[in-house]
Amino acid sequence: DAGVIQSPRHEVTEMGQEVTLRCKPISGHNSLFWYRQTMMRGLELLIYFNNNVPIDDSGMPEDRFSAKMPNASFSTLKIQPSEPRDSAVYFCASQRRATNEKLFFGSGTQLSVL
Amino acid sequence: GESVGLHLPTLSVQEGDNSIINCAYSNSASDYFIWYKQESGKGPQFIIDIRSNMDKRQGQRVTVLLNKTVKHLSLQIAATQPGDSAVYFCAENGGNAGNMLTFGGGTRLMVKP
Repeated sequence: DAGVIQSPRHEVTEMGQEVTLRCKPISGHNSLFWYRQTMMRGLELLIYFNNNVPIDDSGMPEDRFSAKMPNASFSTLKIQPSEPRDSAVYFCASQRRATNEKLFFGSGTQLSVL
Repeated sequence: GESVGLHLPTLSVQEGDNSIINCAYSNSASDYFIWYKQESGKGPQFIIDIRSNMDKRQGQRVTVLLNKTVKHLSLQIAATQPGDSAVYFCAENGGNAGNMLTFGGGTRLMVKP
């Protein structure tokens, strides 16, 4: 199993540009999560999906952030327009089913907004 | 869980010694807990989990202890190795039967050769 695959690994962009982060969960997993990690705030849950449906997006910081999961094998997190304070590592994680089980994390996308 | 913020607690141990990393969780309703290890430049990696109907669980070189009375979780690593150097996070589910995990701020483990 290839694990959770995220792309790109690194993204450097200028303030105001649109950024799209991509995630492929582990095949057969029903839940997908987007987390953001910063030194200031640690790991924060942004949004999660069960069976491709967004369940809780209360962690999404602003309307500039949006996430989609068009099918069971793909999700995107979009920031438009991006701002320097969005600079962080963004992790995608998947879980086999919607219950108490471990999350499998991808390697993350290091985003730098200049 | 641990408060998140600027300061990351650090535990420094000698190679071969045992390590104990502690976590105070906040929600008494939490009934599922996980420990993750995160190495530099990588995503968090699952180490071990425990449910609230247990107070101890052992894995390979790791043991998790749960004390629900004082809402305390610990991770014990036996015979610590240089490869154990990483940031360790505890996570709790907040008692919701769904799948939202709240992560603590993490503890950095440094292993001296």
